[in-house]
Amino acid sequence: DAGITQSPRHKVTETGTPVTLRCHQTENHRYMYWYRQDPGHGLRLIHYSYGVKDTDKGEVSDGYSVSRSKTEDFLLTLESATSSQTSVYFCAGGAGEGTEAFFGQGTRLTVV
Amino acid sequence: EDQVTQSPEALRLQEGESSSLNCSYTVSGLRGLFWYRQDPGKGPEFLFTLYSAGEEKEKERLKATLTKKESFLHITAPKPEDSATYLCAVQPEYGNKLVFGAGTILRVKS
Repeated sequence: DAGITQSPRHKVTETGTPVTLRCHQTENHRYMYWYRQDPGHGLRLIHYSYGVKDTDKGEVSDGYSVSRSKTEDFLLTLESATSSQTSVYFCAGGAGEGTEAFFGQGTRLTVV
Repeated sequence: EDQVTQSPEALRLQEGESSSLNCSYTVSGLRGLFWYRQDPGKGPEFLFTLYSAGEEKEKERLKATLTKKESFLHITAPKPEDSATYLCAVQPEYGNKLVFGAGTILRVKS
């Protein structure tokens, strides 16, 4: 996992509740990413960060927000969970600039 | 719009039967092309980075090649433990995002 830890690994939540997923890294990666993975769609970028307090949207950012108050931690918040946000969420980190990103083990989120 | 298309969606091979996976891409300038392997229930595991047309990288039974429009992942004499989903991603020249294809599911039977 190259120093990327996600928590929780599994979560079931109810529609309309807020949910926060945590990503912690120990490799001092400058860039951190949140992706979701769904059958037939592959990995789609939700948000990413290029430094502390510096974030930007990906292709599927609606309904999600992120925060990065420390280099090590990147939080993904579902403001009001919907069934369409049932998915597997992956955090990744890397140096950017044409180098590879390293992924965590994923969080399986079910919204009922 | 930056786009990555992988084919086939799924591939079944007999042990020892060599084959290739395709990744075609359209991108506004290529900063890098990446191959990952993903096992069920796990995160993607980095395999290779390719930067320019003509470049090749090898690791055990895997060899990745790159042209201006596509990349191939060649699997020579595969074993059952090579069974996984193989993901291709590109990083455009501007920005530091990775754009992924949907992946190829490889099953190798003994």
